[in-house]
Amino acid sequence: AQRVTQPEKLLSVFKGAPVELKCNYSYSGSPELFWYVQYSRQRLQLLLRHISRESIKGFTADLNKGETSFHLKKPFAQEEDSAMYYCALSPQRYTGNQFYFGTGTSLTVIP
Amino acid sequence: GAGVSQSPRYKVAKRGQDVALRCDPISGHVSLFWYQQALGQGPEFLTYFQNEAQLDKSGLPSDRFFAERPEGSVSTLKIQRTQQEDSAVYLCASSLVLGSGGEQFFGPGTRLTVL
Repeated sequence: AQRVTQPEKLLSVFKGAPVELKCNYSYSGSPELFWYVQYSRQRLQLLLRHISRESIKGFTADLNKGETSFHLKKPFAQEEDSAMYYCALSPQRYTGNQFYFGTGTSLTVIP
Repeated sequence: GAGVSQSPRYKVAKRGQDVALRCDPISGHVSLFWYQQALGQGPEFLTYFQNEAQLDKSGLPSDRFFAERPEGSVSTLKIQRTQQEDSAVYLCASSLVLGSGGEQFFGPGTRLTVL
């Protein structure tokens, strides 16, 4: 069963434009949601997590339990934001052992 | 102060061969995860270790896949009698906290190609 869905495989925006990367999840209980990013020729790394409620590199993500979504947003895209973005889910915040990634969205910011 | 390392970085195997992939996690990290990432897909969870204990192996695709972490640090993922569908990048990640709720630090991956 697909637990994390990222509907867009590719997304292109112009520099300075707002960007939103969509993520929907299907899991009951209290999952914890994450965004991981992979820049060109670099390792996968954590961008942000919903319990932190912080903005990283200008990105924010709000967990909407009603819509089961965790979309990633940035008001003004920069060229250095071009990367592969993965939404991910941990089933249980404190006791989960499994971890599920979406299929990823490749973001290109056009100069 | 190095991060997670994996070896080899690339492995080419003939169908039917056995392979062993190594992961060196960050020192002191209790949690260790293995993932399989096929081309164009996100990483798929394979197994989870808490120190030396393999607490979850629900993601291992068949009994040809075996993972161990005997001393709670280095881990090895072994694939017996490799098949073409095993071709993928295998990622290892470690975390300071118990379970999957913490930040995971990823290695560079091992790209396995089965001919």
